[in-house]
Amino acid sequence: EVQLVESGGDLVQPGGSLRLCCAASGFIFSDHYMEWVRQAPGKGLEWVGRSRNKANSYTTEYAASVKGRFTISRDESKNSLYLQMNSLKTEDTAVYYCARINSRWHDFDSWGQGTLVTVST
Amino acid sequence: DIQMTQSPSSLSASVGDRVTITCRASQGISNSLAWFQQKPGKAPRSLIYAIFNLQSGVPSKFSGSGSGTDFTLTISDLQPEDVATYYCQQYNSYPITFGQGTRLEIK
Repeated sequence: EVQLVESGGDLVQPGGSLRLCCAASGFIFSDHYMEWVRQAPGKGLEWVGRSRNKANSYTTEYAASVKGRFTISRDESKNSLYLQMNSLKTEDTAVYYCARINSRWHDFDSWGQGTLVTVST
Repeated sequence: DIQMTQSPSSLSASVGDRVTITCRASQGISNSLAWFQQKPGKAPRSLIYAIFNLQSGVPSKFSGSGSGTDFTLTISDLQPEDVATYYCQQYNSYPITFGQGTRLEIK
């Protein structure tokens, strides 16, 4: 069974940093693209970024709103995906989800339960 | 960026009804269209990918159709457990974008 468990969400001040983790199990982690998606309180879903699979050298893509501030990485030995968030802004307040990409169809087929990041003074 | 526009934004229907949600892309997205269900306080759940393919475990009361820029999600025999917000998504090009959501309620 595919499982994705996010952690690391917290209250942080504007300008601060935070690292989120998504622990994956139940599938071959290195074979799949992985995504981060966020949802501000009471709002819709916003794509944050992508980590391609090992065959594609774990290269990344980012939304314009986070490019240059957020970095996605992986630790293959821990089957974990990370989101390093720097220079945080109040508008980064959201629940952050990780999702797995289906290798054949490239859709978001599995999601974690999310972790809440609050950026506030 | 490709804009995804859903209609209606909210919808109220009766138990047993059939409801349709539409999603329009601002440009062609091939077959890279997905639908998600999100219940209050929960993570999104994938329902449909590549326009009309049901995810494993999703009941056949959900169906998708469309092509080019216009797509629909249809829910048959509406039940109380279908109360949720539904989102369409294009994954054809970066940035990946979602519709604004359609909130479905029971009358």
